Amino acid sequence: AQKITQTQPGMFVQEKEAVTLDCTYDTSDPSYGLFWYKQPSSGEMIFLIYQGSYDQQNATEGRYSLNFQKARKSANLVISASQLGDSAMYFCAMREGLSGGYQKVTFGIGTKLQVIP
Amino acid sequence: GAVVSQHPSWVICKSGTSVKIECRSLDFQATTMFWYRQFPKQSLMLMATSNEGSKATYEQGVEKDKFLINHASLTLSTLTVTSAHPEDSSFYICSAPTPGGMNTEAFFGQGTRLTVV
Repeated sequence: AQKITQTQPGMFVQEKEAVTLDCTYDTSDPSYGLFWYKQPSSGEMIFLIYQGSYDQQNATEGRYSLNFQKARKSANLVISASQLGDSAMYFCAMREGLSGGYQKVTFGIGTKLQVIP
Repeated sequence: GAVVSQHPSWVICKSGTSVKIECRSLDFQATTMFWYRQFPKQSLMLMATSNEGSKATYEQGVEKDKFLINHASLTLSTLTVTSAHPEDSSFYICSAPTPGGMNTEAFFGQGTRLTVV
């Protein structure tokens, strides 16, 4: 079974509008972390936001917020006030077993976001 | 600025030759580094976990004799693609967890685009 599922291969959003990128995950481990990364065409991976499984509040970082619904196992990324520079691939990722050393990070297949002027 | 530096950013090599890719942590010591491979329009797939002073841990299906990993110091891990073939052409990217606990995200290198001709 897929550990990270991103069902939107591509998304369009008008500049200055908000957009939500979907992510659902599957784990039986009570301790895990969820990440979102941005990958522009240059290939670098840019960390955006992190949510821990025990965090009570949704994570926010500037224009990025993570809509964490633990019972539904979803961790959607919300980008507010989209900018042209936001056009990129976006990956949802998960790290399980946080209590025992650096565990590997599993990535979803990504969503390609295009911001329209 | 970037805390993980990866070189080279791109390389073209002849079939049958070997290519070495370096991953350096600039501002911190990294006892663990991860090597990923990404095919066009696909997600990142973990190849191996590099551990300073010990053997790397390879993911299932990754040939350890073909993808040699050396983590000789706390700031440097290298991936050598031996006897490269056109099917090894891909985007290779490393990451290192930053100090501060399990909840911190991993910074990524800039990636290396390998083309084998």
